[in-house]
Amino acid sequence: DSGVTQTPKHLITATGQRVTLRCSPRSGDLSVYWYQQSLDQGLQFLIQYYNGEERAKGNILERFSAQQFPDLHSELNLSSLELGDSALYFCASSFAGDTEAFFGQGTRLTVV
Amino acid sequence: GIQVEQSPPDLILQEGANSTLRCNFSDSVNNLQWFHQNPWGQLINLFYIPSGTKQNGRLSATTVATERYSLLYISSSQTTDSGVYFCAVARNSGNTPLVFGKGTRLSVIA
Repeated sequence: DSGVTQTPKHLITATGQRVTLRCSPRSGDLSVYWYQQSLDQGLQFLIQYYNGEERAKGNILERFSAQQFPDLHSELNLSSLELGDSALYFCASSFAGDTEAFFGQGTRLTVV
Repeated sequence: GIQVEQSPPDLILQEGANSTLRCNFSDSVNNLQWFHQNPWGQLINLFYIPSGTKQNGRLSATTVATERYSLLYISSSQTTDSGVYFCAVARNSGNTPLVFGKGTRLSVIA
């Protein structure tokens, strides 16, 4: 158990819908990262928050947004979903960028 | 951005064999991690190793930061070692996210 909790584990939804993925970081970690892994692909960085503020942005679509709340949990919102958004979405946390990052079990999103 | 290249892309081993996986990166880093993604999709931390050498059981890793590469050694491989091994690095410029290589897919055959 990495200490990073992601919910839900699985999600099936229809095209055009909106979903919210939730992440609770390890106790004491200030940074939260979101990654997307499509079928047989590597992990693509989406966005990073540090202590409530956006720190870095990667290949995140405009239909996607995220935030980190005062209790440091984070949510990733995916809207106007398309078939191509089907993927495994990971959240990771670390104390800072140069410290070890730990990943949650992921949310497997299927858009039908 | 920083580039991360892993080799080989695929590897098939007989149970009991040894292997070396390589990770090359294009810039100075302050974080380098090796992960194992098991067949269920879980990402398991293997090593946090921005420099130096570490060992954990049958696995060991070495990072030569000045030459911008890292090696992961797997000895006496077992079928449970199958999966994808990822190297990920963060640039040495503050609080930056990990950038992943494309991984090495390892299959260990009994």
